[in-house]
Amino acid sequence: NADVMQNPRHLVRRRGQEARLRCSPMKGHSHVYWYRQLPEEGLKFMVYLQKENIIDESGMPKERFSAEFPKEGPSILRIQQVVRGDSAAYFCASSPRFEVPGLGENEQFFGPGTRLTVL
Amino acid sequence: DQQVKQNSPSLSVQEGRISILNCDYTNSMFDYFLWYKKYPAEGPTFLISISSIKDKNEDGRFTVFLNKSAKHLSLHIVPSQPGDSAVYFCAAMVDSGTYKYIFGTGTRLKVLA
Repeated sequence: NADVMQNPRHLVRRRGQEARLRCSPMKGHSHVYWYRQLPEEGLKFMVYLQKENIIDESGMPKERFSAEFPKEGPSILRIQQVVRGDSAAYFCASSPRFEVPGLGENEQFFGPGTRLTVL
Repeated sequence: DQQVKQNSPSLSVQEGRISILNCDYTNSMFDYFLWYKKYPAEGPTFLISISSIKDKNEDGRFTVFLNKSAKHLSLHIVPSQPGDSAVYFCAAMVDSGTYKYIFGTGTRLKVLA
């Protein structure tokens, strides 16, 4: 879904550097999610944000990783002091709001992902 | 602990035939399920969903079946087309108020012309 924008599409960092991944949700969407896909694995939930609030960060590693979704501008996933194990595809998704499960549609719309390679 | 499992990493089907992709889950709190399709170097694209109050949902060539007692869902594609070749992920929604998805590991479908 091209309407969810992620940049950069590819990011190469050396060990110890910082990585910043950006996500602009679809117009009108105020909920943003970050997922990580390691090679040969499914997507793993990392964090769920609304404007200026972190709602659920249960999938985020406790150290080096942080996320924000400011009032203005894109959502940022920040990885400090990257290590080789951080190499993965990072996907952002957005949704407008939630219906009660079972009574409406709850799909999230995904961006094209950022492929992070740590050398 | 893998709460959503797709036990077949790959599947090959002849064009025009039916493709059946399976997904099992362990968490009885899941109450909404989705299928996404993913092409290489792209993000997942929503295909079809089903809530736990239903046992079937159909959209064109795609039908999802839910068997709550068996904690099993399946995606049927009929007739299969070469353009359906992709990785298919099933996802379940956790009813904890956060609406995060739990994804399976995916099944790579190859439709042979």
